[in-house]
Amino acid sequence: DAGVIQSPRHEVTEMGQEVTLRCKPISGHDYLFWYRQTMMRGLELLIYFNNNVPIDDSGMPEDRFSAKMPNASFSTLKIQPSEPRDSAVYFCASSFWGTHTGELFFGEGSRLTVL
Amino acid sequence: TQLLEQSPQFLSIQEGENLTVYCNSSSVFSSLQWYRQEPGEGPVLLVTVVTGGEVKKLKRLTFQFGDARKDSSLHITAAQPGDTGLYLCAGGEINNAGNMLTFGGGTRLMVKP
Repeated sequence: DAGVIQSPRHEVTEMGQEVTLRCKPISGHDYLFWYRQTMMRGLELLIYFNNNVPIDDSGMPEDRFSAKMPNASFSTLKIQPSEPRDSAVYFCASSFWGTHTGELFFGEGSRLTVL
Repeated sequence: TQLLEQSPQFLSIQEGENLTVYCNSSSVFSSLQWYRQEPGEGPVLLVTVVTGGEVKKLKRLTFQFGDARKDSSLHITAAQPGDTGLYLCAGGEINNAGNMLTFGGGTRLMVKP
């Protein structure tokens, strides 16, 4: 079975540019999470969806960040405008509540560098 | 907000040595998960423990959930270079939104041949 698929794997952009990160969760999973990972702050939860509905976006740093999940098989995380401090690895993860254990299946991440 | 502290943050050992990584909190969790993350990849689940005092073994890895469900440990016997990676613990809390995880800061392990 295909795992969580993220794109792009690497993105280098200049400050002020718009960045869009994409995620395809595992089919049948009803939760989708966006995390950001840096050496300084570790793994931070940005936002998560349940059945395509945003449940908690309190981890989104500021209004420059937005996330959407138009359907069960696709989600985007957008940063506009991007800043150097946004440089990090962004992970998408999905899970299935039916197991009640909350195991997260992570994608390989999108490494973002903002110059 | 529940916090999980992991120790040590960094650990460099020789192949064949034993090691223990700790995950501590002042909060009670419904479950505790351990993930391993290798460079360039996302974290991968190793184990989930749900019962206070529970011990699970995965080959050379032994996981324990504290009796009070506030802490956990990961013990690796005879470490190998393939064990190198970032080990993350994550505490689970069941609420109306599901089973939400809080991640610790991680322990970065390097096993030298």
